[in-house]
Amino acid sequence: AQSVTQPDIHITVSEGASLELRCNYSYGATPYLFWYVQSPGQGLQLLLKYFSGDTLVQGIKGFEAEFKRSQSSFNLRKPSVHWSDAAEYFCAVGAKTGANNLFFGTGTRLTVIP
Amino acid sequence: DAGITQSPRHKVTETGTPVTLRCHQTENHRYMYWYRQDPGHGLRLIHYSYGVKDTDKGEVSDGYSVSRSKTEDFLLTLESATSSQTSVYFCAISETGQSTGELFFGEGSRLTVL
Repeated sequence: AQSVTQPDIHITVSEGASLELRCNYSYGATPYLFWYVQSPGQGLQLLLKYFSGDTLVQGIKGFEAEFKRSQSSFNLRKPSVHWSDAAEYFCAVGAKTGANNLFFGTGTRLTVIP
Repeated sequence: DAGITQSPRHKVTETGTPVTLRCHQTENHRYMYWYRQDPGHGLRLIHYSYGVKDTDKGEVSDGYSVSRSKTEDFLLTLESATSSQTSVYFCAISETGQSTGELFFGEGSRLTVL
């Protein structure tokens, strides 16, 4: 069965520090992988995606993620966090044959302290 | 940017009453989705549509029905609302016009069933 695990419910980092949010997935085939971000009271916004090819993908707002097939992971990173990055982050997985049903993780809430 | 309007944005209703949530897009995109967001569950797909009058069930479709009579409108109906359907409901469209999982979300409709 498909599933996505985000082991960290809440992470707090200082502004300017580096960030890594973890995502592990279980999927029967090579999936499409996504990271979405949600600011309070808003809908989700696509940060980045992995379909194939280079396993390090770049996204918006200075974020990147690395697909590691051997570890079934797709961790999100940012070298220097800004206060505006405070939000909830969701990892999602979908099928290459038609990603109509994305499976989302339960999310990681990021707090940024000055 | 794609345009999605969800209405109503907030609704309080009583158990047993029917409720319809509306999603309106201005992009003429083929794929539209209804998700619900609950703490500890992330987002879960309720129903999706791949064209006018073409819909399919998602992971948590029980108690919900949908209709799409025009490309731009996707309606979600709770025939007889229950307290377990208290949630935030998000409509989304596929940014690319294909089912690749690259979704653009509306701002959500918060439903409370008393």
